[in-house]
Amino acid sequence: DQQVKQNSPSLSVQEGRISILNCDYTNSMFDYFLWYKKYPAEGPTFLISISSIKDKNEDGRFTVFLNKSAKHLSLHIVPSQPGDSAVYFCAASVTGNQFYFGTGTSLTVIP
Amino acid sequence: DAGVTQSPTHLIKTRGQQVTLRCSPISGHKSVSWYQQVLGQGPQFIFQYYEKEERGRGNFPDRFSARQFPNYSSELNVNALLLGDSALYLCASSLTAGAYSGELFFGEGSRLTVL
Repeated sequence: DQQVKQNSPSLSVQEGRISILNCDYTNSMFDYFLWYKKYPAEGPTFLISISSIKDKNEDGRFTVFLNKSAKHLSLHIVPSQPGDSAVYFCAASVTGNQFYFGTGTSLTVIP
Repeated sequence: DAGVTQSPTHLIKTRGQQVTLRCSPISGHKSVSWYQQVLGQGPQFIFQYYEKEERGRGNFPDRFSARQFPNYSSELNVNALLLGDSALYLCASSLTAGAYSGELFFGEGSRLTVL
C-alpha cells in the first residue's frame, strides 16, 4: 500500500517561474515530512523538512506547505533555476523513524 | 568531512547467490537505515539500526538481514537472491533515532543486478 503518493511523474517549468511539487499521504499518524532531491547516479539529498505542528517552513528559495486536514504537502521553488532539474521525493514518518517515500516527480527547468 | 560511503557501488549476482552490502555512516552519526529503490519507485524502508540494535524493519522477507557494528558501520545481507531483488540499495545515516531525529543523509547507493 502506497502511503505517500506523488501523482505527477513529471513537471516542466520555465526558468525564473515557480515550481510546485505536490505530495499526498494517507496515514494521519505521520507527523514529520521531508523533501529530497535526487540527481542520476547520486543518493537523495535533503532539501527541507516540516513537522506537523507547523503549516509552513521556508528555507531560501524552498518553501514547504503542510495541510493536515487534506493530508497534503507541497514544495514551492521560487525562482526556479536550471540546476533544480532533478527528481524530487517527499517522505513521511511517525516521529522520524521509518520513512515512507513517494514515487518522485521529475522536475525540468527550461532555460 | 566524509559523507555516507557505501560499497560496492555496482555488483552483478545470479539467482540463488548471497550478497553483502556495506555502509559507513557520517562520523558522529549513530543510526543507519537501509532502503531499497526499484527503478521508477521511491526508496522503500528495509531496516533501521541504532546503537547496534534493530529499531525498525520494513515489509521484507527474512532473506534480508542486517547488523550494525561498534563503530556504527553496517552491513545488509540478502540471501537466495531473486530477480526482483535487483535494485539500488541506499544507506542513510542520522545523528540519532526516534523523535525528529533530523534528516537522513544518504550514500550514493549500491546497484545490485541479479541475473
